[in-house]
Amino acid sequence: RKEVEQDPGPFNVPEGATVAFNCTYSNSASQSFFWYRQDCRKEPKLLMSVYSSGNEDGRFTAQLNRASQYISLLIRDSKLSDSATYLCVVRNASKLTFGTGTRLQVTL
Amino acid sequence: NAGVTQTPKFQVLKTGQSMTLQCAQDMNHEYMSWYRQDPGMGLRLIHYSVGAGITDQGEVPNGYNVSRSTTEDFPLRLLSAAPSQTSVYFCASSDSAGVDKLFFGSGTQLSVL
Repeated sequence: RKEVEQDPGPFNVPEGATVAFNCTYSNSASQSFFWYRQDCRKEPKLLMSVYSSGNEDGRFTAQLNRASQYISLLIRDSKLSDSATYLCVVRNASKLTFGTGTRLQVTL
Repeated sequence: NAGVTQTPKFQVLKTGQSMTLQCAQDMNHEYMSWYRQDPGMGLRLIHYSVGAGITDQGEVPNGYNVSRSTTEDFPLRLLSAAPSQTSVYFCASSDSAGVDKLFFGSGTQLSVL
């Protein structure tokens, strides 16, 4: 089983839609969780950290479920500019493990 | 702010050639690392450093060498390039020993023929 698993997609959604991605992780001792965004042929950039209580940043909401070992990312009111690959990242000590990413394509 | 600067952006090598990918950061970050990204696989850690003079292996270190003589620079050396090293390479740095936020360079597309 992979340490971090994501549905590769693509998720094709119309502008204005709400879309959610899940990511599962295998190591129950994992300490921190993140979502990174990667545009085509560009470097990954931190989108948001994921806290146990859940957190929101504008149209983006991230949640953590430790019991079921998954994190989620919800995007409301999708914009064309949200089209990208979203990487789930899990930290255990100083080791970061990246998922393969979920591709989102927002269309008119 | 330049952030993390990687050179070159593109490189084509023949099997057996050696080369160095350069990485420099101007944020005074102690933690620096090299990743490779291949289709269908997540970013995989090659080597990392938690400060000048300190380096350690990541998940896929074979065929690569690193050194960290200054806080700013963290070059990655390919000793004898192989087609399996064809990939996109990213350098990343962090100001946190917990590596809570990585700043990535713009990447190097390497092809080994």
